[in-house]
Amino acid sequence: DAKTTQPTSMDCAEGRAANLPCNHSTISGNEYVYWYRQIHSQGPQYIIHGLKNNETNEMASLIITEDRKSSTLILPHATLRDTAVYYCIVRVKAAGNKLTFGGGTRVLVKP
Amino acid sequence: DGGITQSPKYLFRKEGQNVTLSCEQNLNHDAMYWYRQDPGQGLRLIYYSQIVNDFQKGDIAEGYSVSREKKESFPLTVTSAQKNPTAFYLCASSIGTAHTMNTEAFFGQGTRLTVV
Repeated sequence: DAKTTQPTSMDCAEGRAANLPCNHSTISGNEYVYWYRQIHSQGPQYIIHGLKNNETNEMASLIITEDRKSSTLILPHATLRDTAVYYCIVRVKAAGNKLTFGGGTRVLVKP
Repeated sequence: DGGITQSPKYLFRKEGQNVTLSCEQNLNHDAMYWYRQDPGQGLRLIYYSQIVNDFQKGDIAEGYSVSREKKESFPLTVTSAQKNPTAFYLCASSIGTAHTMNTEAFFGQGTRLTVV
């Protein structure tokens, strides 16, 4: 499995952009990068995913470096409701659709 | 509405008893998963199933059992062999099979199991 490394926690000011980094230096060519978030005591929520091109949707933007060894999730205008644990995941095809979570980044959006 | 449903939300059991957690989805997804989450920790994979009548062990399968007799259902049994069963249990599903990995997973709202 390609493992991911994320900072344990980070703070962000409300209304500002939140940039969440993720390292996945052992990622292989056919593995996608997925981002989920989990608000306290709820099930994780899908945010975005990508292979090598940058992606944007209504929730966030995903920037993947050219060598694909790292990525950044961008929440353009963080709100208090964005306070959550954010997980960066690399999808492993060899093990079917096994979806493995790491420790994630605990993001606290402050007023 | 389409979705994935876990029940009950809270469950209490006495030590030594087996307990089964329900997970149902009406999304027509092939793959289903069970995770365990302990306080302040990430999700750990217990079992997953890519297709009906087939499932694989995840990283922490000991003390748990599953079945996949129907596409829409993937119940998890926490047996008395599980040494520390008190945890938050999450079920998920996704379209993907071994040939379609470019899909998101949808999660239920979880069952919080407390064994006393």
